[in-house]
Amino acid sequence: GAGVSQSPRYKVAKRGQDVALRCDPISGHVSLFWYQQALGQGPEFLTYFQNEAQLDKSGLPSDRFFAERPEGSVSTLKIQRTQQEDSAVYLCASSLERTGSGGYTFGSGTRLTVV
Amino acid sequence: AQSVTQLGSHVSVSEGALVLLRCNYSSSVPPYLFWYVQYPNQGLQLLLKYTTGATLVKGINGFEAEFKKSETSFHLTKPSAHMSDAAEYFCAVSPRSARQLTFGSGTQLTVLP
Repeated sequence: GAGVSQSPRYKVAKRGQDVALRCDPISGHVSLFWYQQALGQGPEFLTYFQNEAQLDKSGLPSDRFFAERPEGSVSTLKIQRTQQEDSAVYLCASSLERTGSGGYTFGSGTRLTVV
Repeated sequence: AQSVTQLGSHVSVSEGALVLLRCNYSSSVPPYLFWYVQYPNQGLQLLLKYTTGATLVKGINGFEAEFKKSETSFHLTKPSAHMSDAAEYFCAVSPRSARQLTFGSGTQLTVLP
């Protein structure tokens, strides 16, 4: 596609529920990133894929967070047993390059609200 | 670890006035530097970036930024503000040896008529 597509745009989850957030990167983009943006804050890095390989997951806040990109294109961020502190906008970004010099194309995000 | 400081969480300017949004970073080695803009309920859009070469970088929508190594700064400017510039602006850095971005906390720009 022309841009990075994320779905759903909005998700309301009851505390304890599992959620799955989807990211469709730009076709052919090698690198894919997930960021978490709390209200009034800048995005914070969660995890990074190069093709299907998850090269860095140091930003995932707990073992309830899991991300995958099995075929090197679409990625899913899964959050198990959601907590109120998980409420945030989850942004996906992709890049054609393997290095950080190119800047990234961001999706519009998924706003998760845990009630 | 790298960090990014954006001075002023809120900046207001009059339409037609100069826009100056400040960004300082801490890093032992000059990183890649970026400015992103975020409109309400949208993702981030790249305004401009500095990787190497000329320290004055021109971006979209008339914005530019200058990398000053001695001051560890990468301030964003625009000579004349337009109403459509009202948005949140994020400065970000990326180590040359890594890929992920570290963002500042953002500056909300308001343009007054």
